[in-house]
Amino acid sequence: SAVISQKPSRDICQRGTSLTIQCQVDSQVTMMFWYRQQPGQSLTLIATANQGSEATYESGFVIDKFPISRPNLTFSTLTVSNMSPEDSSIYLCSVEDQTGVHFGPGTRLTVT
Amino acid sequence: EDKVVQSPLSLVVHEGDTVTLNCSYEVTNFRSLLWYKQEKKAPTFLFMLTSSGIEKKSGRLSSILDKKELFSILNITATQTGDSAVYLCAKETSGSRLTFGEGTQLTVNP
Repeated sequence: SAVISQKPSRDICQRGTSLTIQCQVDSQVTMMFWYRQQPGQSLTLIATANQGSEATYESGFVIDKFPISRPNLTFSTLTVSNMSPEDSSIYLCSVEDQTGVHFGPGTRLTVT
Repeated sequence: EDKVVQSPLSLVVHEGDTVTLNCSYEVTNFRSLLWYKQEKKAPTFLFMLTSSGIEKKSGRLSSILDKKELFSILNITATQTGDSAVYLCAKETSGSRLTFGEGTQLTVNP
């Protein structure tokens, strides 16, 4: 199955700042996905990152807050903008291959 | 609405016990049903189920899907302390988007 890496693995940020999370896959994939897991909750899809077109956002998530880039078929970034403590979460990227849908190791973000 | 409901929400068993975890879903735009194990940050993929009645097995874990009754079960036999984790099920819809249930927190005591 696809091997996915994310950077950073964790960060502590001040409110009002922005953080960009990187996701790298070891093979070319058509779609990459970004999920959020708030403390004590399950995973929620933020957006689908399509190569060559704008990301598709789920209800409740907007591009100004979570801009996404997808410059090629193996890489994507998610930026969490103008952070508040409510943005403290684990952020995960995922991809689908022939065997299933797989997740990266996640980025644990704490906003103070 | 894409709703996925898991039960029980938590379960405490002793090593060697067999457990059954449940997942029900709504039929809208169904493509597949997936199971994951989450210990720290990243969910680890276990199974993807697309067809009714065909059991998938991996060691002591097995899972089956019932598309008529809209549910799936995950069985773990001869549980070990290393099985302690949150087990998540997710419904895949068009565009490979996943809707997750709340998860079942499994604790296996020695």
